[in-house]
Amino acid sequence: GEDVEQSLFLSVREGDSSVINCTYTDSSSTYLYWYKQEPGAGLQLLTYIFSNMDMKQDQRLTVLLNKKDKHLSLRIADTQTGDSAIYFCAESRNQGGKLIFGQGTELSVKP
Amino acid sequence: DAGVTQSPTHLIKTRGQQVTLRCSPKSGHDTVSWYQQALGQGPQFIFQYYEEEERQRGNFPDRFSGHQFPNYSSELNVNALLLGDSALYLCASSMTGGNTEAFFGQGTRLTVV
Repeated sequence: GEDVEQSLFLSVREGDSSVINCTYTDSSSTYLYWYKQEPGAGLQLLTYIFSNMDMKQDQRLTVLLNKKDKHLSLRIADTQTGDSAIYFCAESRNQGGKLIFGQGTELSVKP
Repeated sequence: DAGVTQSPTHLIKTRGQQVTLRCSPKSGHDTVSWYQQALGQGPQFIFQYYEEEERQRGNFPDRFSGHQFPNYSSELNVNALLLGDSALYLCASSMTGGNTEAFFGQGTRLTVV
C-alpha cells in the first residue's frame, strides 16, 4: 500500500538544527520530496532525492534516505524564525506523477 | 513566468451546489494534477490530466470531475457539494517526459455551508 507518516510537531530554538522525520511504505517509490507550506499558501518544493541516493545537501538543507528502513529525514541547519511552517514529506513513482503526502510536521522556531 | 495560477482564491458555496475551479499551468508544462487538502491534513491526489484526458485518478467519487483544454489549462468540477468538500484545492503542473518536478499553485479555498 501507499502510506507516508510524519510526526506532527517540532519545536526548536533559533540557530539550532531541526530534523524532521518521515517513513513511507511503497517500495516502488522512486522520488521522495520535501515541501514547505506557510499559512494560507500553496506548497513550495524544497528539495527531492532519488531513491538510489542516500544523501543530498542543498545549502542549509540535508536530506537523508534509508531505503532499507523506508525512512527519510530533512535536516535544516541554523534554523531561523522564517523557517516556521508545515513541512510535508511526499513520494511518487515517477517525476511529475501522483504524489502521496504525509500529514505534515509543523515546525515552530522560537527566538 | 507566472508559475501555476489558480482561480478563484476563495469561494463559498451551499450544500448541493456545483463548483468549478480553474488552473493555468506553468509555462512549458503539459500535465495538471489536482489535490484536495482538508484542514490539518496533507494533500490528497484527486486526478491528473495529460493530453486532455484523465490519466490517473485517486480515491474520489464521481462527483469530482475535470477537464483539460488544448492550452493545457484545467478545470476541476465538483457536483452536489457536501460540507466535507470544504478544503484547499491545489493544482500542480509538470511536464511529462521532461523529468521535472511538480509545481503547485496557491490553491483555492472552498467553503461549503
